[in-house]
Amino acid sequence: QVQLVESGGGLVKPGGSLRLSCAASGFPFSDYYMSWLRQAPGKGLEWVSYINSGGSTIYYADSVKGRFTISRDAAKNSLFLQMNSLKAGDTAVYYCARSIGISAATLDYWGLGTLVTVSS
Amino acid sequence: DIQMTQSPSSLSASVRDRVTITCRASQSIRSFLNWYQQKPGKAPNLLIFSASTLQTGVPSRFSGSGSGTDFTLTISSLQPEDFATYFCQQSYSPPFTFGPGTRVDIK
Repeated sequence: QVQLVESGGGLVKPGGSLRLSCAASGFPFSDYYMSWLRQAPGKGLEWVSYINSGGSTIYYADSVKGRFTISRDAAKNSLFLQMNSLKAGDTAVYYCARSIGISAATLDYWGLGTLVTVSS
Repeated sequence: DIQMTQSPSSLSASVRDRVTITCRASQSIRSFLNWYQQKPGKAPNLLIFSASTLQTGVPSRFSGSGSGTDFTLTISSLQPEDFATYFCQQSYSPPFTFGPGTRVDIK
């Protein structure tokens, strides 16, 4: 069955960096758009970034553009999010998710999330 | 960016009640609208895509309707496992924005 398992979250000081990973299994990873979304405590959902199957189409939310980098490794069936210059406003649970269809826009499987806390 | 709003923000209902949640987009999104259910401490779960298509495995008591700017999620007979928060999300153009959510509590 489809599984997405995030890791790499934790406590980091403002200005610091973290690299999130998402291990995918149970489906042909290379065939799917993949995304990172986040949810701040008690708040709604924000789409952070997505990447197409070949890595040639990438989107970033304005709130993270220039600071975050999404990437994927087909050989490792893994998705990554490099987060630099972290701010308090980046504190959230970060979810990895798979898209259905030929675009990123609809998410059919999500991981359980990994918590990122940015605080001094 | 397309703004999504939902009403109500929360509601209290009883088992076997009919529940309706509305979602409005700030511009026409045709039928590019998804609904997700989220339970506390869990990831969201896709219920309906393209405004009215039930995702595989989702019970038929869930239904969606609407097009353009106004959409509805209906639960025909609320079950104990349906107490959760429901989000709409537009899939028309990036950023694919979400509504703020509607929390469904037990009355």
